[in-house]
Amino acid sequence: EVQLVESGGGLVQPGGSLRLSCAASGFTFRIYWMSWVRQSPGKGLEWVANINQDGSEKYYVDSVKGRFTISRDNAKDSLYLQMNSLTAEDTAVYYCARDGKTVLPSLHFWGQGTLVTVSS
Amino acid sequence: DVVMTQSPLSLPVTLGQPASISCRSSQSLVYSDGDTYLTWFHQRPGQSPRRLIYKVSYRDSGVPDRFSGSGSGTDFTLKISRVEAEDVGVYYCMEGTHYTFGQGTKLEIK
Repeated sequence: EVQLVESGGGLVQPGGSLRLSCAASGFTFRIYWMSWVRQSPGKGLEWVANINQDGSEKYYVDSVKGRFTISRDNAKDSLYLQMNSLTAEDTAVYYCARDGKTVLPSLHFWGQGTLVTVSS
Repeated sequence: DVVMTQSPLSLPVTLGQPASISCRSSQSLVYSDGDTYLTWFHQRPGQSPRRLIYKVSYRDSGVPDRFSGSGSGTDFTLKISRVEAEDVGVYYCMEGTHYTFGQGTKLEIK
């Protein structure tokens, strides 16, 4: 059974940083693209970033470019999102999702999400 | 950038009755490989999204066959043949090359 478990969310002040983690199990992590998707309270879904199998390709939504960094550790079956210079607009539930084996979006499986609240 | 527009945004349905959600893209979703990449997700209240359908009409494993997807080019539809109580929540379409989501359609039971 595919499982994705996010952690690392919490309350952070504007301008602060946070690192999210996603622990994957139940599938061969190293052969899939992975994504982060967020959902602001009461709002819709917004893709944030994705990363290819070996970490050599990374893509971001414009609003987080230069502030967020996606990474992965295939030895640990883990995905990460380093978030810097956070603003209130980054407040959201952040989901880790498994993509496919190509660059085309899949978002086949999702974690339960971790809440990030940016507030003073 | 592709814009995905769903309608209606709110959908009250009687149990056992059919339901239909429209998703329109601002440009064709036919990819260079000839396939059309349009995906549907369902998010129940308080839960994470679940993928239902990919490439317009392919149902994911475990998705009841009362769910069906259709369409081509820029116009797509998700149909539920007979709505059940567990179908409540928000349905999202997603353009399948740039992760662009529709606004969501909230299905509720009348």
